[in-house]
Amino acid sequence: EAGVTQSPTHLIKTRGQQATLRCSPISGHTSVYWYQQALGLGLQFLLWYDEGEERNRGNFPPRFSGRQFPNYSSELNVNALELEDSALYLCASSLVGGTYTEAFFGQGTRLTVV
Amino acid sequence: KQEVTQIPAALSVPEGENLVLNCSFTDSAIYNLQWFRQDPGKGLTSLLLIQSSQREQTSGRLNASLDKSSGRSTLYIAASQPGDSATYLCAVKDNDMRFGAGTRLTVKP
Repeated sequence: EAGVTQSPTHLIKTRGQQATLRCSPISGHTSVYWYQQALGLGLQFLLWYDEGEERNRGNFPPRFSGRQFPNYSSELNVNALELEDSALYLCASSLVGGTYTEAFFGQGTRLTVV
Repeated sequence: KQEVTQIPAALSVPEGENLVLNCSFTDSAIYNLQWFRQDPGKGLTSLLLIQSSQREQTSGRLNASLDKSSGRSTLYIAASQPGDSATYLCAVKDNDMRFGAGTRLTVKP
């Protein structure tokens, strides 16, 4: 069974550009979480999607946005990129409802803003 | 707002030692608590999941306990090995999933 897959693995963008990161959850999982992990720092919660709806959002500016598609895959968009957005972006998925069930992570997308 | 704290921030032990990592959280109304391992530059690997109604879970040399009323969890690693060297993270799930900053473990041969 395939795990959580994220693409691309690495992404290099110029300041001011837009970045799009993608996440495919484990088959049957409907909840997707996004996190930012800057170098040497902990995981900062970005967004939680469940059943196609945004359920919660972390303390990030509106230029961080996303969506969840009918097949439960998800996309994270970062507009007007800043140097400080350089980080490892991690996606996790869990079963429907995402409350009592185990979460599994992808390998991440390394975003570098130059 | 849920706050998760992990102590210590870093730990270095000789191979073979038993060790305990600590995790505390401020809001006890959680659904579950999960322990993860992260190797440098990689994603997270799930180690153990404890439901809010459970007191502990075991997997091999790992044992995790949960005291929801006091907002604490511990991860016990028995007979540590150099391959256990990694950052260990705990996460609590309530309205979303919040992480502690992690404990960086080094096991020296």
